Amino acid sequence: KNEVEQSPQNLTAQEGEFITINCSYSVGISALHWLQQHPGGGIVSLFMLSSGKKKHGRLIATINIQEKHSSLHITASHPRDSAVYICAVKELTNKLIFGTGTLLAVQP
Amino acid sequence: GAVVSQHPSWVICKSGTSVKIECRSLDFQATTMFWYRQFPKQSLMLMATSNEGSKATYEQGVEKDKFLINHASLTLSTLTVTSAHPEDSSFYICSASRLISSYNEQFFGPGTRLTVL
Repeated sequence: KNEVEQSPQNLTAQEGEFITINCSYSVGISALHWLQQHPGGGIVSLFMLSSGKKKHGRLIATINIQEKHSSLHITASHPRDSAVYICAVKELTNKLIFGTGTLLAVQP
Repeated sequence: GAVVSQHPSWVICKSGTSVKIECRSLDFQATTMFWYRQFPKQSLMLMATSNEGSKATYEQGVEKDKFLINHASLTLSTLTVTSAHPEDSSFYICSASRLISSYNEQFFGPGTRLTVL
């Protein structure tokens, strides 16, 4: 079993839909990152959170430390949101452990 | 925000040659830099961690003589793939860590796609 599990692995949505991507982890962490990787490969850090909830534009990230679970929500999805979304947790040793990613395709 | 650049963004080389990839933190001094490798449709795999002025710490299974890391300054780290072979073809990503409010946040570079013929 991977230490960081994401679901779903693949997600296709229609433009405008509300999207949720989930991340569960099994190790002690100091923080959790949500990253976005576009087809060209470059990675953009969307959020870094250690508790509660953060919002940036149409993106919302939440984390429940007790349940070892985080969600990334995209409201009013758009085709330009199509990318791979990666959950990564920072272990107490300071290493990042990455999930396998969720491939999101938003169709117009 | 903090910006990390990589150069080149892509490189094609012949088998047996060496390739150097640069990672720079453009607007901050990085306490630590990390090198990752990513195979198609797989997640990032940490190769090594480097601190300025000291030897890199390599992950298990990563050959230090094959993947030479030099961290010359607080804003520059280089990864040299020596005697490259086709199986070294991959996407290499660096990240740089900066201390923010007692937490080391990581910022990722855009990656370098290496193709070895």
